[in-house]
Amino acid sequence: GIQVEQSPPDLILQEGANSTLRCNFSDSVNNLQWFHQNPWGQLINLFYIPSGTKQNGRLSATTVATERYSLLYISSSQTTDSGVYFCAVKNSGGSNYKLTFGKGTLLTVNP
Amino acid sequence: DTEVTQTPKHLVMGMTNKKSLKCEQHMGHRAMYWYKQKAKKPPELMFVYSYEKLSINESVPSRFSPECPNSSLLNLHLHALQPEDSALYLCASSQQSGANYGYTFGSGTRLTVV
Repeated sequence: GIQVEQSPPDLILQEGANSTLRCNFSDSVNNLQWFHQNPWGQLINLFYIPSGTKQNGRLSATTVATERYSLLYISSSQTTDSGVYFCAVKNSGGSNYKLTFGKGTLLTVNP
Repeated sequence: DTEVTQTPKHLVMGMTNKKSLKCEQHMGHRAMYWYKQKAKKPPELMFVYSYEKLSINESVPSRFSPECPNSSLLNLHLHALQPEDSALYLCASSQQSGANYGYTFGSGTRLTVV
């Protein structure tokens, strides 16, 4: 099946710093989402972004499908941004019924 | 309403108990999913329902029994679970089960089997 690799696995920031999270995938995709899992377990949909660039407040994301990667940018980080960020994809072919998750990036924002 | 609601939020059950998890959405989505997430791991797909019919079972043991009574409701019936089944169980929905639809997840049920 498709492989999804996220980097870095862990990231510690001071409040106000900017960061970039990366998601690489091993095959063509027609669905890519970024999620934030808060400490209580809820997976919050940040972006549905199989290609192109989107922005929502301090967050933005870019997916370059032809080069098989996506980036999530967090600017002016806040302590409430802490949690695990997951990238999840659906393969264009093969087992395309399945949303496959990367292992996530654990972000800690210190005050 | 843009939410997926899961109940209960926490559940402790013995290995001989029978319990059910409930998931509800009122977004008109026709695909619903159960995922299982162990600590410090990503979610893993268990079941896919499309138009109230089970379309995918990811080789889940029969002690987990899903049910979709209508297009808004998804249940997961639990019986004779093992301690290793303790996990966060997440429900999700999407407009349809095809590729080009984003998923909305609920806040999960944290299950402990004793």
